[in-house]
Amino acid sequence: KAGVTQTPRYLIKTRGQQVTLSCSPISGHRSVSWYQQTPGQGLQFLFEYFSETQRNKGNFPGRFSGRQFSNSRSEMNVSTLELGDSALYLCASSPSGRSYEQYFGPGTRLTVT
Amino acid sequence: AQTVTQSQPEMSVQEAETVTLSCTYDTSESNYYLFWYKQPPSRQMILVIRQEAYKQQNATENRFSVNFQKAAKSFSLKISDSQLGDTAMYFCAFPPYYGGSQGNLIFGKGTKLSVKP
Repeated sequence: KAGVTQTPRYLIKTRGQQVTLSCSPISGHRSVSWYQQTPGQGLQFLFEYFSETQRNKGNFPGRFSGRQFSNSRSEMNVSTLELGDSALYLCASSPSGRSYEQYFGPGTRLTVT
Repeated sequence: AQTVTQSQPEMSVQEAETVTLSCTYDTSESNYYLFWYKQPPSRQMILVIRQEAYKQQNATENRFSVNFQKAAKSFSLKISDSQLGDTAMYFCAFPPYYGGSQGNLIFGKGTKLSVKP
């Protein structure tokens, strides 16, 4: 089975812009979770989607949003980018009923200048 | 609050030797899962090993094994016969709720392991 894929792998944006990141889960997985990884804060949970519904959300401002499509692919969007949004964004997919069992993609490295 | 603590920010080991990475956690749940993930310089997060708290037997995956002490809330990872490819950040993690329907994992800050030739 193909693993979790994320596009793009690298992205450079300017403060104030918005960005959309994409994640395609492992075939058959319906749960997708997103994390932000920074040197200072480590890995922090953003949100989780299952069957096109957001099931859980971390403690991030409303500028961070996401959605999931009927084929389980997920996107996350960050509006009005700030310098502090520079991070590695990881998504993970899980089998139904086992959302604790997470398989990660390679991540998208976002740099905000 | 549920937390994960990895007290060793960096460690190094000689190739072929054994190294143990420490992890302590705090939870009020009686049953839960625990995980070790590896993140090499390529940044791909890889699941190394898992343990279910109600199982008394320590999990083993090839050269990787855990020492799970439920009463002490300790979950250490032992890597035997270390290889250069084991060089990576290692994260201890667990879902805050058993069954994990919340879709999130709580991660420790990580331990950077360097395997030296």
